Amino acid sequence: GAGVSQSPSNKVTEKGKDVELRCDPISGHTALYWYRQRLGQGLEFLIYFQGNSAPDKSGLPSDRFSAERTGESVSTLTIQRTQQEDSAVYLCASSRSLTGSSYEQYFGPGTRLTVT
Amino acid sequence: KNQVEQSPQSLIILEGKNCTLQCNYTVSPFSNLRWYKQDTGRGPVSLTIMTFSENTKSNGRYTATLDADTKQSSLHITASQLSDSASYICVVSFDSNYQLIWGAGTKLIIKP
Repeated sequence: GAGVSQSPSNKVTEKGKDVELRCDPISGHTALYWYRQRLGQGLEFLIYFQGNSAPDKSGLPSDRFSAERTGESVSTLTIQRTQQEDSAVYLCASSRSLTGSSYEQYFGPGTRLTVT
Repeated sequence: KNQVEQSPQSLIILEGKNCTLQCNYTVSPFSNLRWYKQDTGRGPVSLTIMTFSENTKSNGRYTATLDADTKQSSLHITASQLSDSASYICVVSFDSNYQLIWGAGTKLIIKP
């Protein structure tokens, strides 16, 4: 079946504008994660969705960042009033497990965001 | 502080040669350790997942080892191929926790 897909693949935006990034997880995967990867650095956890439970938003860097997920399907990550330090690749992953800890996470190709 | 450190930061080897990448972690309590391969412009792909009771796990030409006492892991690549050129990332998860601590990765370049 299809893997995790993300759109757009690249996004260039002006400082101060809002952007919306989309993630389509693998069908049947209950867990969904968003990560940020700055150039040459490791992945930073942003937010975790598990079924209908309240999401873990502990990794969101500021209140300009928010994310939603409709049931066990599509998720959108929104960044308001973008800043240059938001420039990074935003990766989405999904997994089968209810706990998510020991099950493999399958990653999308990422969205490369450039804020000018 | 929970951290994952990898070495070397980058490595260049000739095609056909073997290499070993290192990972040290301070994550506690520990649940499992994973190695991922990330090609340029792609998302990471899982190579191995090991719990604290596993000392070694292989996936083709990739062999990961884990010493939970010293909190060290290594990834050995045998008979390297050009397609092995990528970043290799060590990732550690908390006990019963979905959050993963990611290393910065080792950038491996295979030259013909």
